[in-house]
Amino acid sequence: GAGVSQSPRYKVTKRGQDVALRCDPISGHVSLYWYRQALGQGPEFLTYFNYEAQQDKSGLPNDRFSAERPEGSISTLTIQRTEQRDSAMYRCASSYLDRASPYGYTFGSGTRLTVV
Amino acid sequence: QQPVQSPQAVILREGEDAVINCSSSKALYSVHWYRQKHGEAPVFLMILLKGGEQKGHEKISASFNEKKQQSSLYLTASQLSYSGTYFCGTENGNNQGGKLIFGQGTELSVKP
Repeated sequence: GAGVSQSPRYKVTKRGQDVALRCDPISGHVSLYWYRQALGQGPEFLTYFNYEAQQDKSGLPNDRFSAERPEGSISTLTIQRTEQRDSAMYRCASSYLDRASPYGYTFGSGTRLTVV
Repeated sequence: QQPVQSPQAVILREGEDAVINCSSSKALYSVHWYRQKHGEAPVFLMILLKGGEQKGHEKISASFNEKKQQSSLYLTASQLSYSGTYFCGTENGNNQGGKLIFGQGTELSVKP
């Protein structure tokens, strides 16, 4: 597609439920990144993929968070047994090569997750 | 480790200049700059690569001092459209490279 597409735009879930957030990167982009952004803060790294391989998951807060990109295109970030502290904007970004440089990221519009 | 940006916020009158600084404690491969307007996604402005030069984008330019692991973003003759939050993102110069670690942001407000 023309840009990075994320769905849903908004998600309200009850504490303890599982949620799946979807990211569809720009067609042909090799790398895909997941970030979490609190209001007024910079994006916080979660994990990233080159093609279907998860290269770095050091930013995932705990084992309730997982991500996959099985065919090297669309990615899903799953949060199990959600807690109120998981409430945030979750952003996906993609990049043309297998790293951020030299073309930078294109960010999606994000999914606003609210856990009640 | 997260890079440190300064100042945290700045208010300008239209036509004034501003400098935003980004400092890291790690050896860097590159520094990226993004601007985010309220309610929108961050948008890529420019990248400074290790060994690279000062770069420009309209009246916005940036420099990268590899030895000091610092970058500065220069906004000249600011326009109302420059308002937003500016983030630097750093890419480490080792095996941890590939992803960006973002600073906490600098909120820029340009007033008429």
